[in-house]
Amino acid sequence: GAVVSQHPSRVICKSGTSVKIECRSLDFQATTMFWYRQFPKQSLMLMATSNEGSKATYEQGVEKDKFLINHASLTLSTLTVTSAHPEDSSFYICSANHQDEQYFGPGTRLTVT
Amino acid sequence: AQSVAQPEDQVNVAEGNPLTVKCTYSVSGNPYLFWYVQYPNRGLQFLLKYITGDNLVKGSYGFEAEFNKSQTSFHLKKPSALVSDSALYFCAVSYPYNQGGKLIFGQGTELSVKP
Repeated sequence: GAVVSQHPSRVICKSGTSVKIECRSLDFQATTMFWYRQFPKQSLMLMATSNEGSKATYEQGVEKDKFLINHASLTLSTLTVTSAHPEDSSFYICSANHQDEQYFGPGTRLTVT
Repeated sequence: AQSVAQPEDQVNVAEGNPLTVKCTYSVSGNPYLFWYVQYPNRGLQFLLKYITGDNLVKGSYGFEAEFNKSQTSFHLKKPSALVSDSALYFCAVSYPYNQGGKLIFGQGTELSVKP
């Protein structure tokens, strides 16, 4: 089956620093990937749609200068949280399209101290 | 606006009993509907989907869901619950209406199955 990985699985950073999260499709190519954010025991909130070779499409209310998305290859999308603050602490999940299905990564737990 | 609602934050069931996790939707047109399961600190796993055709959809791990257009519902069911079914369940609608479109999720329902 199609597998999506995320790295790192957990990251702790200091307030004001930037953190990069990678989302990889391991055995397929994905022209479209999605980034979600999830608070404890809450639903997934779509942040942006990542399109290979073009700019990401951000959902309303998501700051594109704060959450930088790069989809430079057909197997990798990255989310960079710039100038992180404690309120950015969350569980970030990516998904990738393959044969009209969405496959989800295992998530990245970000803690900003 | 397109939306998905899961009216129950938590469902408690005894092992061996049938379970139902409710989902209703509010979308225009004919929706594509999905159920996903999430275990603690993990990503989402696909359970089943409704695109078109038979209203009763069978999915992974013995789960099934019934699409009811008149009631705009897509409840998840299983005839006999297992303790290992305890997890967080999400109903979702794909929008635009294609299988590769972005997903709009319900709030999630925490299922607890006790021995």
